[in-house]
Amino acid sequence: KNQVEQSPQSLIILEGKNCTLQCNYTVSPFSNLRWYKQDTGRGPVSLTIMTFSENTKSNGRYTATLDADTKQSSLHITASQLSDSASYICVVSKSGGGADGLTFGKGTHLIIQP
Amino acid sequence: GAVVSQHPSWVICKSGTSVKIECRSLDFQATTMFWYRQFPKQSLMLMATSNEGSKATYEQGVEKDKFLINHASLTLSTLTVTSAHPEDSSFYICSARVGGELYNSPLHFGNGTRLTVT
Repeated sequence: KNQVEQSPQSLIILEGKNCTLQCNYTVSPFSNLRWYKQDTGRGPVSLTIMTFSENTKSNGRYTATLDADTKQSSLHITASQLSDSASYICVVSKSGGGADGLTFGKGTHLIIQP
Repeated sequence: GAVVSQHPSWVICKSGTSVKIECRSLDFQATTMFWYRQFPKQSLMLMATSNEGSKATYEQGVEKDKFLINHASLTLSTLTVTSAHPEDSSFYICSARVGGELYNSPLHFGNGTRLTVT
């Protein structure tokens, strides 16, 4: 069964600190992996998209890594800001998959405290 | 960048009434749009695929007569929740993929519609 597991479920850190969110998946055949940021009551916004051959991709203070062998990805947030408080969703795309071909993780709820 | 606009952002309706939610691609054409439902602290669940000019494709367990989808143009898809009940209260989100059927192309989401049925 295609699954995407994210950890931790929730995380609270102080403003200015770094944090790393984890995503493990069993989706096969793999096409790509995306990280989205979802503010409360809003739709998800894309942060990064990584294909099989990419190990690292950065978007400002966000850096995503991908290990396609172990089927693991991480999202590292550097120098966190209050506006980083949101849910971060890992989404894995199945190669040639029907419909949207996507499997969504449940997200990590991140709270940045001043 | 590509933008998907969803309207309304929130709606409260009485049980038994119908509610229409619109999803528009503002600066690109979308032959395919997707409708999701999200419960608190849960992941997005795909409800159906909206296909321009043809019938929508519904995921298993989603009642097509209850969740009517119309994709009359390349920039507009609508989801109508018919005879709404309190259990239909949820966050509904649409998305569209820039680049058609290229699975590596970006998937852009609307800002969602919070539906509350009283």
